[in-house]
Amino acid sequence: AQSVTQPDIHITVSEGASLELRCNYSYGATPYLFWYVQSPGQGLQLLLKYFSGDTLVQGIKGFEAEFKRSQSSFNLRKPSVHWSDAAEYFCAVGPKTSYDKVIFGPGTSLSVIP
Amino acid sequence: GAGVSQSPSNKVTEKGKDVELRCDPISGHTALYWYRQSLGQGLEFLIYFQGNSAPDKSGLPSDRFSAERTGGSVSTLTIQRTQQEDSAVYLCASTQGLNYGYTFGSGTRLTVV
Repeated sequence: AQSVTQPDIHITVSEGASLELRCNYSYGATPYLFWYVQSPGQGLQLLLKYFSGDTLVQGIKGFEAEFKRSQSSFNLRKPSVHWSDAAEYFCAVGPKTSYDKVIFGPGTSLSVIP
Repeated sequence: GAGVSQSPSNKVTEKGKDVELRCDPISGHTALYWYRQSLGQGLEFLIYFQGNSAPDKSGLPSDRFSAERTGGSVSTLTIQRTQQEDSAVYLCASTQGLNYGYTFGSGTRLTVV
């Protein structure tokens, strides 16, 4: 069955600290991989995406993610967190060959301590 | 338009009433998706439309839910005989291609009282 797991429901980090949000997926073939962010009261915004090639992808707002095929993981990282990064983060997977739906993980809520 | 537009932004309805939620995707985006986000939950897929193909309705939770997309553009999600468990934020997204990711609207917050 296709699924996305985000093991951490909630994470709290201090401003300036590094961040890693975990994402694991189960999919029939290597999918497209995405990270979205949802700030309080806002819609979802695409942070970054992976399709093929270099397994380390850069996104907006200083985020990056690394695809590890052997671990079926696509973890999101940021070297230094800002207070404005406090939000809900969703990992998602989707097919490469059709417009079939993208499957979203349950989300990780990030709090940032000043 | 510049983005995906959803209306209304908020809807309060009485249990048992029907509601219609509207989504106006970005011009030229051939695929349109509806998701539901309940309080503190992730995104639950409801239905998607792609071009002239038959919609994928596999995520609709009951036959009270239906959706249509007219002229390959605007979509309407209809919930009949609303129940309290239908209370959620209903999100619409569109895309111009698989490798672009989705562009989401701001959602319609539905409250059934």
